[in-house]
Amino acid sequence: EAGVAQSPRYKIIEKRQSVAFWCNPISGHATLYWYQQILGQGPKLLIQFQNNGVVDDSQLPKDRFSAERLKGVDSTLKIQPAKLEDSAVYLCASSLLLQGREQFFGPGTRLTVL
Amino acid sequence: EDKVVQSPLSLVVHEGDTVTLNCSYEVTNFRSLLWYKQEKKAPTFLFMLTSSGIEKKSGRLSSILDKKELFSILNITATQTGDSAIYLCAVTSQGGSEKLVFGKGTKLTVNP
Repeated sequence: EAGVAQSPRYKIIEKRQSVAFWCNPISGHATLYWYQQILGQGPKLLIQFQNNGVVDDSQLPKDRFSAERLKGVDSTLKIQPAKLEDSAVYLCASSLLLQGREQFFGPGTRLTVL
Repeated sequence: EDKVVQSPLSLVVHEGDTVTLNCSYEVTNFRSLLWYKQEKKAPTFLFMLTSSGIEKKSGRLSSILDKKELFSILNITATQTGDSAIYLCAVTSQGGSEKLVFGKGTKLTVNP
C-alpha cells in the first residue's frame, strides 16, 4: 500500500513570498489533515478535510493560509504572504474514517522562510 | 483547551537499557491516546489506546493507559540504536474533529 505523498520535500523562500504544498493521501482515505510542526514542538493541526469538506480549520491563520481539496482526494496548502515564523515542517496525514482510526503521515515539507 | 505533557523531554541511554516514557493529558471527552515514533520527519504510528489497564505490545515496545489518573506510559525494553527517535504522544476527543493534540515529544538517544 502506497503511503501519503507530499511535495516538495524542502522549500526555501523569502518573507512575503508565496508557497504551496501538495499532498496525496493513501487511496481510499476520506479524511485528510494538515499539521504544522515547529522545531522542538509536536505537530499542530491546521485544517482537517472529510472528503472535500472542511471539518476543522479553527487553528488555520486564515489571513495568510488557505487549503483546498477540490475533488476529495489530493490537497494543496498555500501560504501567502509567508512570515519568518512560518518556518516549520508541514505534515499531511490521512485516515480511513473520521472516527477513531489512526492517522498515517507523509514525509512532510520543510519550509524555511528567510 | 486539550493539553498533553510528556516527560522527560530528552533521555540518553545505552543499548540494552529499558526506558519508560510518560504522557499525561487533560482532554474534554477523551476518545483515544496514540503514540508515534518520529525519526526523520514523518511520525509513524505505534499504538492507539482507548481502554484503561489493557497493555498493548509490539515486540520490545509496550504501552498502557490509565484513564483515572490521565496518563500513559510507553516502555521500550532492550533498547537498540535504531530506537533513537522522538516519541510523540497525542490524544483525540469525542465529537466533531478527530484532530490529534500532541505533546512536545521525548527525544530518546540510544548509544552503543
